[in-house]
Amino acid sequence: DGGITQSPKYLFRKEGQNVTLSCEQNLNHDAMYWYRQDPGQGLRLIYYSQIVNDFQKGDIAEGYSVSREKKESFPLTVTSAQKNPTAFYLCASSIVRTEQETQYFGPGTRLLVL
Amino acid sequence: GNSVTQMEGPVTLSEEAFLTINCTYTATGYPSLFWYVQYPGEGLQLLLKATKADDKGSNKGFEATYRKETTSFHLEKGSVQVSDSAVYFCALVDTGRRALTFGSGTRLQVQP
Repeated sequence: DGGITQSPKYLFRKEGQNVTLSCEQNLNHDAMYWYRQDPGQGLRLIYYSQIVNDFQKGDIAEGYSVSREKKESFPLTVTSAQKNPTAFYLCASSIVRTEQETQYFGPGTRLLVL
Repeated sequence: GNSVTQMEGPVTLSEEAFLTINCTYTATGYPSLFWYVQYPGEGLQLLLKATKADDKGSNKGFEATYRKETTSFHLEKGSVQVSDSAVYFCALVDTGRRALTFGSGTRLQVQP
């Protein structure tokens, strides 16, 4: 089955620690995205990538980093510079073509601070 | 910049009631519009979409029409079920970044 997988489902971070969230897709999509969801709020864009080896900052990139070494993978690192990392993180992917911009989402990773 | 405004929830309905969730947007040009649904603890699922003015998206009894004149994309369903209880997000695609701009979500609770 084609789709997007995210791991782990739950992640705990200690103060000063960097943690990495995994996102893998087998849909052969060009573009991948990371969003953050806080309780009772909509999703906000952290980073996006439309092609391998290239990525762009979204609206709330501070304290996060990404890489795009393979088309299928777009890991997100939450660094110690992110002072309020507790949130639900969602990865998405899409074809990059007008009128085919539908984004498909993974199941999410919930990050909690110890 | 782009923005999406949704009616605040929660919206509480009895089973078989008519549902409307309002969504209005501000954007440059005529971006594609989407409704996504989120069940507790899960990611988002695409519910329906419309790519140009006057298009009607529909799925599972839900409908929404892209209204350019009123910059709206209201979600409707004629008869809701308990299983429709979820959070519904209206969104538009940023034609430059191809990322989505979301409304804040509307929680729907359907009681038997």
